Amino acid sequence: GQNIDQPTEMTATEGAIVQINCTYQTSGFNGLFWYQQHAGEAPTFLSYNVLDGLEEKGRFSSFLSRSKGYSYLLLKELQMKDSASYLCAVTDSNYQLIWGAGTKLIIKP
Amino acid sequence: IAGITQAPTSQILAAGRRMTLRCTQDMRHNAMYWYRQDLGLGLRLIHYSNTAGTTGKGEVPDGYSVSRANTDDFPLTLASAVPSQTSVYFCASGQGGADTQYFGPGTRLTVL
Repeated sequence: GQNIDQPTEMTATEGAIVQINCTYQTSGFNGLFWYQQHAGEAPTFLSYNVLDGLEEKGRFSSFLSRSKGYSYLLLKELQMKDSASYLCAVTDSNYQLIWGAGTKLIIKP
Repeated sequence: IAGITQAPTSQILAAGRRMTLRCTQDMRHNAMYWYRQDLGLGLRLIHYSNTAGTTGKGEVPDGYSVSRANTDDFPLTLASAVPSQTSVYFCASGQGGADTQYFGPGTRLTVL
């Protein structure tokens, strides 16, 4: 079966750095997405990786290793507004998105 | 309209009733999707449409039907609602394939 694993919940301190990991086992791979979802709102696109390596976008970076079936989202200089769930999703060989259950990130002052 | 909209925002429905959730996008995206999101689970694909006039089944299609008469609209119908269909429903659109999907604000549905 297809599976996306990410931690259920993480806690970090304002101003710090946090890394959210995602491991996947899917039938084929056509890219990996990270989305942010604030409570009661829709998911919004953060990043996309299709090749191995690091993609940096401001305070957020996303890393991919296809051989290990592994990605992480790195958030720097954490702000209270970063409190949200972070969803990892992989596009499989049929171009359907397989979603992880999400990681709830709690930021403490 | 800017982006993707859904209606209603929330709804309480008696079991056995028929209900249609509406979704409209103005981005001229080819593909549209319906997901449900339940606590502790990832988003699960109900139905999708790669282009106007075509639809396909996702991971959890039973009890739901869709149509795609034009590019902009992709309604989701529950023919006879059951309590297990209580969920938050998100519509999304994109250019298809591995392209980014953009989500509507969601509909919170409660079936009693």
